[in-house]
Amino acid sequence: DGGITQSPKYLFRKEGQNVTLSCEQNLNHDAMYWYRQDPGQGLRLIYYSQIVNDFQKGDIAEGYSVSREKKESFPLTVTSAQKNPTAFYLCASSSSTGLPSGANVLTFGAGSRLTVL
Amino acid sequence: GDSVTQMEGPVTLSEEAFLTINCTYTATGYPSLFWYVQYPGEGLQLLLKATKADDKGSNKGFEATYRKETTSFHLEKGSVQVSDSAVYFCALNLLSGSARQLTFGSGTQLTVLP
Repeated sequence: DGGITQSPKYLFRKEGQNVTLSCEQNLNHDAMYWYRQDPGQGLRLIYYSQIVNDFQKGDIAEGYSVSREKKESFPLTVTSAQKNPTAFYLCASSSSTGLPSGANVLTFGAGSRLTVL
Repeated sequence: GDSVTQMEGPVTLSEEAFLTINCTYTATGYPSLFWYVQYPGEGLQLLLKATKADDKGSNKGFEATYRKETTSFHLEKGSVQVSDSAVYFCALNLLSGSARQLTFGSGTQLTVLP
């Protein structure tokens, strides 16, 4: 079955460490996204990529980095510069970045929960 | 800027009760509107969508109608079940946009008691 796989599901990090969250999709989707979810808040966009080897900052990109070397993979690195990294991270993908209808439906992974000790 | 406002939760209902979760939006242009659902410990799933005014999205007994005159997209279900317990997110995006312009509400936690 096609879908998005995020790993690890749970991750603990010490302050000052970088960690990388994996996101892999087998949906042949062009666009991929990373969102951060905090309790009681909506999703906030960190980075997105519409095509291989290209990506753009979202609303809260500071302290994060990404790469898009392959169509199916979009890893997110949470760097030590991110002051409050404890959160639930969601990866998503979509089949087109500019459907005429504008109904750009996202498919989400199950998420990765990062806790800083 | 574009924004989505959802009724604050948590919402607790008894099984078979009627559900309404309010959602209003502010946007320039003509957005598409969505409801996503998040079950405990999981990512979000698309529940339903509407792409133009007066469209009604429906799925799994849930419905929402795109009301341009009131800039609303309220989610309703006539008889909720325990399995409907989840967090519900209203979202919008614009015709010209990629998901860069996908804006989410803060989510409404629904708990259905047997």
